[in-house]
Amino acid sequence: ETGVTQTPRHLVMGMTNKKSLKCEQHLGHNAMYWYKQSAKKPLELMFVYNFKEQTENNSVPSRFSPECPNSSHLFLHLHTLQPEDSALYLCASSQVVQGLPQHFGDGTRLSIL
Amino acid sequence: DQQVKQNSPSLSVQEGRISILNCDYTNSMFDYFLWYKKYPAEGPTFLISISSIKDKNEDGRFTVFLNKSAKHLSLHIVPSQPGDSAVYFCAASVQGGSEKLVFGKGTKLTVNP
Repeated sequence: ETGVTQTPRHLVMGMTNKKSLKCEQHLGHNAMYWYKQSAKKPLELMFVYNFKEQTENNSVPSRFSPECPNSSHLFLHLHTLQPEDSALYLCASSQVVQGLPQHFGDGTRLSIL
Repeated sequence: DQQVKQNSPSLSVQEGRISILNCDYTNSMFDYFLWYKKYPAEGPTFLISISSIKDKNEDGRFTVFLNKSAKHLSLHIVPSQPGDSAVYFCAASVQGGSEKLVFGKGTKLTVNP
């Protein structure tokens, strides 16, 4: 596989469930990101991991818990989510060098019942 | 307060004509700008970027223009093709880095055959 792969592509869960989103990048990048895209809103950066260390937490509620075990894998653990958390969750990776872009996965469409 | 604004939610053009997508920003510290294209059910794909030391960057049918004094950039697609129909996102960052990208809401381009 190449690029950035996200699983699952779709997820429906109740507010009391615990689930995890997975992201894997095959590009040799050293940074990984979680974004949230809600309807009619810009992509919102949630978390940044640089060389496996979290360097950014953009005021994200604690019901979202990221994990980056190595530079190729990124998880987003979900617990006790709210209906307003229904959105498209996108993972991205990049080589943190000036002028190089982020590469995105195809996202997980999350629906909270 | 949105730092990157794409004021046109949608744009429709005829095949073969020029498409011009616009983006305004408010943060004068932004010095690296990118355009992404997104098809339905796929993640954003990097299209073209420009550094603030330039005012134009070309890649095939795609040209990005930057007007720093007006805090405005535009993406020109010539000639437009039906396959260009997608949502286009403008993004910006500070210090030429790709870590903290700030995105606009996107413009949906439809190219009619």
